[in-house]
Amino acid sequence: QKEVEQNSGPLSVPEGAIASLNCTYSDRGSQSFFWYRQYSGKSPELIMFIYSNGDKEDGRFTAQLNKASQYVSLLIRDSQPSDSATYLCAVNAYGGSQGNLIFGKGTKLSVKP
Amino acid sequence: DGGITQSPKYLFRKEGQNVTLSCEQNLNHDAMYWYRQDPGQGLRLIYYSQIVNDFQKGDIAEGYSVSREKKESFPLTVTSAQKNPTAFYLCASSISGVTTDTQYFGPGTRLTVL
Repeated sequence: QKEVEQNSGPLSVPEGAIASLNCTYSDRGSQSFFWYRQYSGKSPELIMFIYSNGDKEDGRFTAQLNKASQYVSLLIRDSQPSDSATYLCAVNAYGGSQGNLIFGKGTKLSVKP
Repeated sequence: DGGITQSPKYLFRKEGQNVTLSCEQNLNHDAMYWYRQDPGQGLRLIYYSQIVNDFQKGDIAEGYSVSREKKESFPLTVTSAQKNPTAFYLCASSISGVTTDTQYFGPGTRLTVL
């Protein structure tokens, strides 16, 4: 059974701080990793994707991937109250032509003004 | 405006009824997906389709059916065999359905059984 694990939170950080969201996955053969943000009552929207070990930066967001440890994280710098949402980690563990994703249950982030 | 549309936004079903949720995309994507989300839970895959006239079961297909007669459309029917259908249903699409493709989501349909 392929699994993706996230701390459900809530993770509370003050405005301007760095929020660190973590995700582990069970299948060592996983190839693609995605972070989605989901506001309450809304559908998920893509924040970032990462395929290779190391860091990938996009504005205030940095995704970090460590395939040896089966660990992917999302850092949010200069956190804003508008970042308050649930963050979903998704992993493609099937490879090849099958693009199905396995989702974690999400981490709820609260940024306090 | 390119995107994914789902209708209706809210749907109420009586016990024993079949209902159909609509999903349309104008992104020219080959692959489409249906997920179910329960409160405090991640998304679970119901069905997916990588090409017209072909689709496969996901992890929780029992009590659901789909069709893919057109590239743009992937309707989901929730049948009376689905014992606990109250959930948030999300449709997604991706360019071709391969490993590295990003999935983009529609706004969702919230289904409630009365």
